[in-house]
Amino acid sequence: AQSVAQPEDQVNVAEGNPLTVKCTYSVSGNPYLFWYVQYPNRGLQFLLKYITGDNLVKGSYGFEAEFNKSQTSFHLKKPSALVSDSALYFCAVRGNNNDMRFGAGTRLTVKP
Amino acid sequence: GAGVSQTPSNKVTEKGKYVELRCDPISGHTALYWYRQSLGQGPEFLIYFQGTGAADDSGLPNDRFFAVRPEGSVSTLKIQRTERGDSAVYLCASSRSGDYNEQFFGPGTRLTVL
Repeated sequence: AQSVAQPEDQVNVAEGNPLTVKCTYSVSGNPYLFWYVQYPNRGLQFLLKYITGDNLVKGSYGFEAEFNKSQTSFHLKKPSALVSDSALYFCAVRGNNNDMRFGAGTRLTVKP
Repeated sequence: GAGVSQTPSNKVTEKGKYVELRCDPISGHTALYWYRQSLGQGPEFLIYFQGTGAADDSGLPNDRFFAVRPEGSVSTLKIQRTERGDSAVYLCASSRSGDYNEQFFGPGTRLTVL
């Protein structure tokens, strides 16, 4: 079965520093991977996806993610964090029936 | 343009009651999904529609849960004989098709069963 894991419940970074939110996947076949962000009292917002092609995917709000097949990872990154990036981040993989299988989420806190 | 909308935003009901949750997807999106998100967890898949038909309902937890999409647009998630364990945020999402397109999520309906 398709699944993702987010090993960190919480990530804390200082504003201006680079950030990484980790995700590993387990799939049969080709992985179709996604990152979403959830702000308080708001719906999940799409950030980026990997379907095929370049391993480095660029998305919204300056975020990017690197697909690494050998490490089965799809870590989310941003070169310089903003306080406004503080939110809950979810990694997801497309399931066998077009559903989305989500990780448990990582809470990112960016401190001024 | 308008995003995915869900009504009501909050629903409080008593154990044993029947509830309906509504989702209005983005116009033109043929695929519609329902998820359930419990506190501290990621969304959990419930059911997927392609057009009017339920293409996959394997995520529905039991036969108290049912969803319809009669005209291929608006969908209603129906829960009979609600239980306290049904309390969660119910999310709806839509996408252009059921393939690799990203899903756009609504703000959710917070269901509380007392």
